[in-house]
Amino acid sequence: EDQVTQSPEALRLQEGESSSLNCSYTVSGLRGLFWYRQDPGKGPEFLFTLYSAGEEKEKERLKATLTKKESFLHITAPKPEDSATYLCAAGDSGYSTLTFGKGTMLLVSP
Amino acid sequence: ETGVTQTPRHLVMGMTNKKSLKCEQHLGHNAMYWYKQSAKKPLELMFVYNFKEQTENNSVPSRFSPECPNSSHLFLHLHTLQPEDSALYLCASSQEDRGSGNTIYFGEGSWLTVV
Repeated sequence: EDQVTQSPEALRLQEGESSSLNCSYTVSGLRGLFWYRQDPGKGPEFLFTLYSAGEEKEKERLKATLTKKESFLHITAPKPEDSATYLCAAGDSGYSTLTFGKGTMLLVSP
Repeated sequence: ETGVTQTPRHLVMGMTNKKSLKCEQHLGHNAMYWYKQSAKKPLELMFVYNFKEQTENNSVPSRFSPECPNSSHLFLHLHTLQPEDSALYLCASSQEDRGSGNTIYFGEGSWLTVV
């Protein structure tokens, strides 16, 4: 059975304090590892897709990396507007169905 | 209109009511999904439609009934729901090419409260 585990469940940072979110996965035949951002009361917003170990992608203050067992979302010098829940999902070799983690709730204080 | 749009955004219904959630995607995709999001739980896949055919039904109770009349529209018909069905219902779409990592795009969701 495919599994995705995210840690920590919640993270509080000061503005400018860099950190990383972790996503470990157990998927047979990984087709893609996806990161989403979700603001309260809204649907998940797509951030990145990673396809193979060693791949990295960046967007503004966010950088996602992938190994054979886990993915990291690095947040450099975060701002209060980065506060959100970050979701990780893994897709297997079947159709576009994803297994989601529970998410990491990030709060960045000014 | 762009992306995936869902209506209504908020719905309160009694346990004996019948209501429907509507989803429309403007991305030209060929696959659509219903997900359920409850507090403290991961997103749960409910239904998948690929080329208008239902390809997955994740053991969802029959009080939830999906309908996909074409590749751009998806409905979730609701009847005799239970209070534990209160959740955020998310519609999503993707361009499905077998074997590749296709990104799923979500709508804003419909907040359902069953009283």
